Amino acid sequence: DAMVIQNPRYQVTQFGKPVTLSCSQTLNHNVMYWYQQKSSQAPKLLFHYYDKDFNNEADTPDNFQSRRPNTSFCFLDIRSPGLGDAAMYLCATSRDRGYQETQYFGPGTRLLVL
Amino acid sequence: EDQVTQSPEALRLQEGESSSLNCSYTVSGLRGLFWYRQDPGKGPEFLFTLYSAGEEKEKERLKATLTKKESFLHITAPKPEDSATYLCAVITGANNLFFGTGTRLTVIP
Repeated sequence: DAMVIQNPRYQVTQFGKPVTLSCSQTLNHNVMYWYQQKSSQAPKLLFHYYDKDFNNEADTPDNFQSRRPNTSFCFLDIRSPGLGDAAMYLCATSRDRGYQETQYFGPGTRLLVL
Repeated sequence: EDQVTQSPEALRLQEGESSSLNCSYTVSGLRGLFWYRQDPGKGPEFLFTLYSAGEEKEKERLKATLTKKESFLHITAPKPEDSATYLCAVITGANNLFFGTGTRLTVIP
């Protein structure tokens, strides 16, 4: 009964080779988030979708893009991964966008860039 | 600028040895504070939300408290399975979560 699912759990890519990470949810939540977490660091919000409305954080590099084709799925595209993009990528969802809303996280995808 | 500082960075406890983790914050108008548990190689797991100073929440061996400047996560008689990184996060004015770097807890049998 997994609620937020991320695939794959581990992804290896080559420097500069585009890669796509996937997130799906069975909660029917309106909001989906993507975070980047490097080793021993705090998760850092990259962007989020409120329904179909895309919200980018100001300091998210242009190399990172996202798509949300429907309520259940959200993708993170890294157009030209650099060595510094190696990290755990976490997807989260919340029912709505208010401050009372709890975010529920998936297990993460660990990205390795060679 | 919003800041969340967690201390200590790492904590080793003997099984049964109670202690507290600290999360201090500097934000313009706290709307809420969240505690999450994160196991190695996994996503954060929600524990508690606190909204106002004086509020307390409990779950099994964990108790979270909130003041106007900080939050504590008290662990009573911890067990080895409580070993994890504990993250606190505050809700910013944009209704986004802003995380601290966490406290890595190890409970030794």
